[in-house]
Amino acid sequence: DADVTQTPRNRITKTGKRIMLECSQTKGHDRMYWYRQDPGLGLRLIYYSFDVKDINKGEISDGYSVSRQAQAKFSLSLESAIPNQTALYFCATSDYRGNYYNEQFFGPGTRLTVL
Amino acid sequence: AQSVTQLGSHVSVSEGALVLLRCNYSSSVPPYLFWYVQYPNQGLQLLLKYTTGATLVKGINGFEAEFKKSETSFHLTKPSAHMSDAAEYFCAVSDSGGGADGLTFGKGTHLIIQP
Repeated sequence: DADVTQTPRNRITKTGKRIMLECSQTKGHDRMYWYRQDPGLGLRLIYYSFDVKDINKGEISDGYSVSRQAQAKFSLSLESAIPNQTALYFCATSDYRGNYYNEQFFGPGTRLTVL
Repeated sequence: AQSVTQLGSHVSVSEGALVLLRCNYSSSVPPYLFWYVQYPNQGLQLLLKYTTGATLVKGINGFEAEFKKSETSFHLTKPSAHMSDAAEYFCAVSDSGGGADGLTFGKGTHLIIQP
């Protein structure tokens, strides 16, 4: 089984709808991240979380919210989807190794289309 | 703030030829540097990373990269390209010394392998 899973894998929705993307991990990592990927722009950080009580904004948090329901679960919500939120969304995790955090492990991605 | 520049959105090489993907970064603190690969319809997989120590880093699938502080570069190389290397490659730098606050990615380089 995959260590980092994302649901759904694909979603088509309409402008104005509320959408939730979910991420679960079995790696036991404390840190979780949400990124979006747009063609030609690479990945950009939306939100990240150190634990269930700690949520931090990333580079492009406007229009998004998150919830860390448990150490293993981190959800991303679009309260009112708009077409320019059409993108590929990735969840990632990492853990602490000595004096630095290890590399990030990525889920398979959710392709979201907002019409 | 950190930033990453990947020179060339598309790089084409012949099978068996040298692969060179360029990455330059800016960082106000000692950087942690990563190369990730993304195969079609998949998530990101770590190729290699530089944290501290030896500046020549070896990764999976025959790839390696050299950290050159004076040139603020972390170029990815492979002596002999294989058809299976065709993918999108991303260079990333940590936003903090430990990478805990997420990664800053370059825009990616699409590697094309000509038979």
